[in-house]
Formats: sequence, structure tokens, C-alpha cells
Amino acid sequence: NAGVTQTPKFRILKIGQSMTLQCAQDMNHNYMYWYRQDPGMGLKLIYYSVGAGITDKGEVPNGYNVSRSTTEDFPLRLELAAPSQTSVYFCASSRTSTGDEKLFFGSGTQLSVL
Amino acid sequence: GDSVTQMEGPVTLSEEAFLTINCTYTATGYPSLFWYVQYPGEGLQLLLKATKADDKGSNKGFEATYRKETTSFHLEKGSVQVSDSAVYFCALSGANSKLTFGKGITLSVRP
Repeated sequence: NAGVTQTPKFRILKIGQSMTLQCAQDMNHNYMYWYRQDPGMGLKLIYYSVGAGITDKGEVPNGYNVSRSTTEDFPLRLELAAPSQTSVYFCASSRTSTGDEKLFFGSGTQLSVL
Repeated sequence: GDSVTQMEGPVTLSEEAFLTINCTYTATGYPSLFWYVQYPGEGLQLLLKATKADDKGSNKGFEATYRKETTSFHLEKGSVQVSDSAVYFCALSGANSKLTFGKGITLSVRP
């Protein structure tokens, strides 16, 4: 079982460059999420999606964009990378959004913006 | 808004020691509570959960009880192993059904 797959695992960007973090899940989950994890901090929700074609902002959306053209894929786009976006990014999915539903996480993308 | 407060870390224990990691929360209504664990180089995975007051979640020897009167969900294990070394996150799912995470605490268990 692949679960949630993220690519790349590591990336170094220069200020102003753009890139797309890829996320795919094979569990037919409707709900998908992007989080960032800064050192010594909890995870912060960037964007989420409740199904193909539907996305919404989370707690820290500035500087990011998402799309959800299929149930399986939920890419995260950084258009003009800034040092403040240096972080570890996690994609997650869940079957529903009910309060007791668990999230399945990918293994993360470590991004450095220099 | 919703918030989760975890005790400051890191925590270092010897193998077979007793573990307690404190977690308190602030939320309106009746949130669900979770502990997630992150092993080195991996994503988070659910360790245990509790969905209503006085529920006890348990898994892999870990336990946590949902205490509404003290708004707490402390994680305990009677005898830790080296393989328990990881980062532990307390989290809640409130009225908006979105997870709010604590800062996480790093546990290191030495042989």
C-alpha cells in the first residue's frame, strides 16, 4: 500500500524561484491537506480540499496555491519562494472530515529557500 | 480559537522508565483528541484518540484519558523502549473539524 506519496523529499530553492510539491494518494480519500512544520512548532494548515475541484484556505495560505483536478492528486505551488517558506511540508488525506477521522500523512518534503 | 499546549521538551529517559507527556487544550464544545507520533524521517501517524469525555485511548502500550474537567489529554506509558524515540504531537479536532496541533515534544530513550 503506497498511501500518501510526496515528491521531492528534499529541495533547495533560490529566492524568487517557483516550484510545485507533488502529493498523491491511492486510498480514494475525498479530503486532502497541506501542512507546514517549522522547528519547535506544531503543524500549520496551508490549504485543504474536500474533493476534486474544491479547495479552501487554511491558517497560513499566503504565498501558496493549490489545485485539485483529480481525487488522487493535490499539488502545492510556490510562485515566488521566500526564506520564510523554509520548512518541512506534509501532505495528508482522510476519508471524511468528521471530528474523529484520522489523517494519513506523507513522509514530507524538506524545503530550504536561500 | 482552539489551541493545544504541550509540555516543553525535549525529554530523555532510560529504557523501561515511566513516561508522561502533558497536553492541555482550549476549545469550544466537545472536541475529539488525538496523539500523533512522528518517527525519524517519516510523516505523522495516529497513535491513539478519544472522542468524548472519560474515554481512554490506547495503542502500543500508550494510554491517554480525555479529562474534560481539567481539559487535559496526557500521554502515558509504563515502560518505554528505545524504539519509542520520536516526536509526539497532541492535537484536537474542534467545531470546524480541522486538526489543531501542539508544538510537539521530542522523546529520546537511551538503552
